[in-house]
Amino acid sequence: EVQLVGSGGGLVQSGGSLRLSCTASGFTFSSYTMNWVRQAPGEGLEWVSSISTTSTQYYADSVRGRFTISRDDAKNSLYLQMNSLRDEDTAVYYCAKSDCGDDCRLTDYWGQGTLVTVSS
Amino acid sequence: DIQMTQSPSTLSASIGDRVTITCRASQSITIWLAWFQQRPGKAPKLLIQKASTLQSGVPSRFSGSGSGTDFTLTISSLQPEDFATYYCQQYASLSRTFGQGTKVEIK
Repeated sequence: EVQLVGSGGGLVQSGGSLRLSCTASGFTFSSYTMNWVRQAPGEGLEWVSSISTTSTQYYADSVRGRFTISRDDAKNSLYLQMNSLRDEDTAVYYCAKSDCGDDCRLTDYWGQGTLVTVSS
Repeated sequence: DIQMTQSPSTLSASIGDRVTITCRASQSITIWLAWFQQRPGKAPKLLIQKASTLQSGVPSRFSGSGSGTDFTLTISSLQPEDFATYYCQQYASLSRTFGQGTKVEIK
């Protein structure tokens, strides 16, 4: 069974930093592109970032230059380093698995999400 | 970015009703469209990929159709567990944008 457990969320001041983690199990982590998708309170879904099996990184324009995605295949873990946080970054952040390896944009399993609240 | 527009935003229906949700892309995405279901407080669940391919384990009352810019999600006979919010997502482009969601409520 695929499991994705996110952690690291919390309350942070505007301009601050936070690092999210996601631990995966139930599949061969190193063989799949991984993603972060967020959802502001009461709002819809927004793709944030993806990282391929070769660690090629992709970012939404809204976070490029502030967020960094990374992975540690030995630890079956995905990370999102978030710097220069803004009020509009407040959201539940979901870790999501893609359904294939490289250049893979469809997500087929999502974790339970971790809440990030940015307060000014 | 490719814009995705869903309609309606909210839909009131009864158990057993046939329900249709539409999703329109601002440019052609061929068949690179997915549908997700999100129950309150839960993570989204993938229902359909490539516009019409049902994910394993998803009930056959769900179906998807369309290509190019116009797509539909149909629930043939609404069940209690289907009351949720549904999102379309295009994955033709790198930015993989979502529709704004359609909330299916109990009438």
